[in-house]
Amino acid sequence: QKEVEQDPGPLSVPEGAIVSLNCTYSNSAFQYFMWYRQYSRKGPELLMYTYSSGNKEDGRFTAQVDKSSKYISLFIRDSQPSDSATYLCARDENTGTASKLTFGTGTRLQVTL
Amino acid sequence: DGGITQSPKYLFRKEGQNVTLSCEQNLNHDAMYWYRQDPGQGLRLIYYSQIVNDFQKGDIAEGYSVSREKKESFPLTVTSAQKNPTAFYLCASSWGLDNEQFFGPGTRLTVL
Repeated sequence: QKEVEQDPGPLSVPEGAIVSLNCTYSNSAFQYFMWYRQYSRKGPELLMYTYSSGNKEDGRFTAQVDKSSKYISLFIRDSQPSDSATYLCARDENTGTASKLTFGTGTRLQVTL
Repeated sequence: DGGITQSPKYLFRKEGQNVTLSCEQNLNHDAMYWYRQDPGQGLRLIYYSQIVNDFQKGDIAEGYSVSREKKESFPLTVTSAQKNPTAFYLCASSWGLDNEQFFGPGTRLTVL
């Protein structure tokens, strides 16, 4: 079983829709989770990171971790065509001096006009 | 401008040749990383370095080598021993104790 699993999509939604992107993880000991956004042929950029359980909100983005079900979610409100990208979830094994990330495969999102 | 640069953006090599990918950062980060990205497989960690003159293997280090002689530079060599070298290679860096990794723009390597 992969450490972090993610539906590759593609996911197509109309502009203004609420988008839900999800990942599952295998080890309940994982505590740090991140969402990265990657535009085509570019490097990923960090959107949000969360520690343990609960929600974290930043503008139109909300990250949620449910430890009981080992589920990570990213919600995008009022989606825009500029949100069209691949979204990668990751878990972080922080060694104290370095951050080792294990990524899901990424979900490709297309927001249409 | 602060950031991470990778060069070249596109690289073509013949099978059996070693090739070195460049990664430079001026963010004063201690830790640097190399990932490989293939379609449908996400990013996989090749090597990482926490400090100068020290580096550790990641999940798929076979067929790759690195060096960390300077804080700002972490070149990756793809050797002829790497069975499937064609991929998108991403370099990243982070502060030692901070979780955020900053990524470069990537190098797309094609082996003919």
